[in-house]
Parts: sequence; structure tokens; C-alpha cells
Amino acid sequence: DGGITQSPKYLFRKEGQNVTLSCEQNLNHDAMYWYRQDPGQGLRLIYYSQIVNDFQKGDIAEGYSVSREKKESFPLTVTSAQKNPTAFYLCASSVTAFRVTGELFFGEGSRLTVL
Amino acid sequence: GQQLNQSPQSMFIQEGEDVSMNCTSSSIFNTWLWYKQDPGEGPVLLIALYKAGELTSNGRLTAQFGITRKDSFLNISASIPSDVGIYFCAGQRGRGTSYGKLTFGQGTILTVHP
Repeated sequence: DGGITQSPKYLFRKEGQNVTLSCEQNLNHDAMYWYRQDPGQGLRLIYYSQIVNDFQKGDIAEGYSVSREKKESFPLTVTSAQKNPTAFYLCASSVTAFRVTGELFFGEGSRLTVL
Repeated sequence: GQQLNQSPQSMFIQEGEDVSMNCTSSSIFNTWLWYKQDPGEGPVLLIALYKAGELTSNGRLTAQFGITRKDSFLNISASIPSDVGIYFCAGQRGRGTSYGKLTFGQGTILTVHP
């Protein structure tokens, strides 16, 4: 079945460690996104990629890094520079960033807890 | 970043009751979307609205794109226990630099008592 797969679903990290969250899609979508979700704050955009080998900062990119070497994959690294990394992270994709339909398809999320 | 004000923040209702929630913005959006998120899952699209004044239904759900393009409403009729979850509105400014970027509301947490 087509969809977006995020892994791991749960992750615990010690302070000062970097961690990478995986996001893979087999929908043949050009655009991919990373959102962070905190209680009562909705979804905030971290990074997005409109096409392979290109990505742009979202509203809260500090302390995060991404890569887009393959169309199917858009991993997110939460670095030690991120001051408050404990959150629920959601990866999403859309058919193309150049077609204004607005619809995003989301993965099931990864919950990161920093101890 | 840009903000969408979604209200109410939470609702506790009895099964069978109707539900209304809304989103407002100080800026114009050209697309409004409503998503539902079940606990521990990613949001799923419920309804998409592309024209000011548009009224669209999806089963027991009805959503409207405000005439001013600065607001949107979602109504759920005859609620059932599986309607429980977080409902998000999202807006997209349109073409150009916004591309697929959405701005999300804070979410409405819906609890339905049997």
C-alpha cells in the first residue's frame, strides 16, 4: 500500500546526542515536509523540500537539519543544539509543491523524548 | 510565523450532539483545510475548501470557506464516539512562495461521551 513510513515510532535520547528520524514515502510525491507538534500549539513547520537535492527552512528550523538525496526519503536530524527537542514529529508529503491543492499526507509520527 | 486562531480549544459533548468549531486569521488564505488526528497518529484530511463562500460536506461533516477568506468553519452533526480526536484547521496562502506550505491552527480536542 502507498503511504508514508516514519521510524522509529518512539525514541529516547540523552541530552547532547544527535538523533535522526526516518521518513520514507512511496507515493511518488515531489514535496516532503517535517512538522513538530507540541500540546496546544498545533503543527509547526521545521523544514520542507520541494524537489530532490533541495530543501528550505520552515518556521522553527534552528537545531534541526535535513537532507533530500532521494525522492522517497527525507530524514530529519535533531541536533544537540535544539534546546527543547522533546516533541511529536510528523513527516508529510504532497503531490507537488507547485500545484496548489494544499493536501498533505502524513506519516504516523515519531515521539522523541530527551532524558 | 503566521497564526491561525482556532476555537474552541476543547469540547466535551454527548453522543448525538452537533459540534461547531472555527478558525480565524488576520490574513487572507486561498485554501482552507480541515484535518483530524487520532491519538498517536498523523492527521488525516477531512475536507478541503478552495473558493471563498464554498460550502462542502463529507458525510456528517460540513465545512465552509468564509467570504472574507479569513475564516473557516467545521460542523459535525450527530456526533459518535469515533469522532473523538484533535481537529486542525490549516490555511494556505496560495501560489508563489507559499507552495505547499500550510499554517495550522492550535487544534480543537473533541471528547464524545457515550
